[in-house]
Amino acid sequence: GAVVSQHPSRVICKSGTSVKIECRSLDFQATTMFWYRQFPKKSLMLMATSNEGSKATYEQGVEKDKFLINHASLTLSTLTVTSAHPEDSSFYICSARDLARGTGVSPLHFGNGTRLTVT
Amino acid sequence: SQQGEEDPQALSIQEGENATMNCSYKTSINNLQWYRQNSGRGLVHLILIRSNEREKHSGRLRVTLDTSKKSSSLLITASRAADTASYFCATDIAGNKLTFGGGTRVLVKP
Repeated sequence: GAVVSQHPSRVICKSGTSVKIECRSLDFQATTMFWYRQFPKKSLMLMATSNEGSKATYEQGVEKDKFLINHASLTLSTLTVTSAHPEDSSFYICSARDLARGTGVSPLHFGNGTRLTVT
Repeated sequence: SQQGEEDPQALSIQEGENATMNCSYKTSINNLQWYRQNSGRGLVHLILIRSNEREKHSGRLRVTLDTSKKSSSLLITASRAADTASYFCATDIAGNKLTFGGGTRVLVKP
């Protein structure tokens, strides 16, 4: 089945540094990937839609200069948390749809998430 | 704002019992999907039900959809300890992005 690989699974960084999270679709192509943020025991909040070859679409309230998204190929999207602060500590999850199955009625395939802790 | 609200927020049952959780949403949808999340992991797709469908089965899972009430339910029959996880409904409105409900944390005690 479709596999999405997310790396790293855990990262601890100091306040003020930047962290890059990678999301790869291993056995399918994805023109669109989605980045979610999840707080403990809470739901997933969509942060942005990553579009291959074009700018990401950010949800209301998400700072695009804070959370940089790059989707350079059909199998890779990256999220960079710039100048991280403790309040950015969270669980970040990426997901993608298998392009070959279309967009309308196909499920999302999720990475295993990245636990970011900013000290 | 979240499209879906789930009920209950948490559920504790004995192995072998059935678990039922509900999801309500606010706007018209293309389809509704249920996902499972084990602690600290990504989500796994369980089942998708289209807006013109009323019921769908997959193994021990049964999903219903009532578009007139804007609600869905997920039933897990004959639960197992391995079913312990959080379950989320997600609505697909425009055929692209999904909006997730608050989730139901299910604990199945052996």
